[in-house]
Amino acid sequence: QKEVEQNSGPLSVPEGAIASLNCTYSDRGSQSFFWYRQYSGKSPELIMSIYSNGDKEDGRFTAQLNKASQYVSLLIRDSQPSDSATYLCAVNNVNTNAGKSTFGDGTTLTVKP
Amino acid sequence: GAGVSQSPSNKVTEKGKDVELRCDPISGHTALYWYRQSLGQGLEFLIYFQGNSAPDKSGLPSDRFSAERTGGSVSTLTIQRTQQEDSAVYLCASSLGTQGGIDEQFFGPGTRLTVL
Repeated sequence: QKEVEQNSGPLSVPEGAIASLNCTYSDRGSQSFFWYRQYSGKSPELIMSIYSNGDKEDGRFTAQLNKASQYVSLLIRDSQPSDSATYLCAVNNVNTNAGKSTFGDGTTLTVKP
Repeated sequence: GAGVSQSPSNKVTEKGKDVELRCDPISGHTALYWYRQSLGQGLEFLIYFQGNSAPDKSGLPSDRFSAERTGGSVSTLTIQRTQQEDSAVYLCASSLGTQGGIDEQFFGPGTRLTVL
């Protein structure tokens, strides 16, 4: 079992819809969770961080964390074609791996006009 | 302020040659990561530096790969006797540090390595 698992996709949604991206992790002691967006041919860029159970909203993006179920999700409301990218989930437990974060392999999202 | 910079942006080399890839992290960032990404694949962790601690080298694929970080700042990834399977984009990332798990990483633009 991978430490951080994501559906590879591709996930395809129509423009204006809600895109839901999911990530599960195996280290129950993880404290910090991150979503990165990577456009084709570009480097990943951080879009959301979440540290507490519940929802965190930033514009059209909402991160949801459920530590008991060991999953974190990213919702993108009013999806735009410019949201088409690969979304990487990263998880961190400061008490293990010397605090090194672990990345999932990413979910590719396509938003169709 | 300046972000993470990497050089060169592209490197073409012949099989068997050594290459050095450079990363300049964001000033004040104590954590530095190297990753490798092949076309269409996820990030492959290579090595992790955190402050003055011994680096985590658990991701280095072979003893041909090594990295150092001088003065807690600039890092160099060296690949000796390059092979065609080393062809990939090499990404560097830095963060303020992982105290409390606040490991928000900022990535450089990457070095695209092609081994002929």
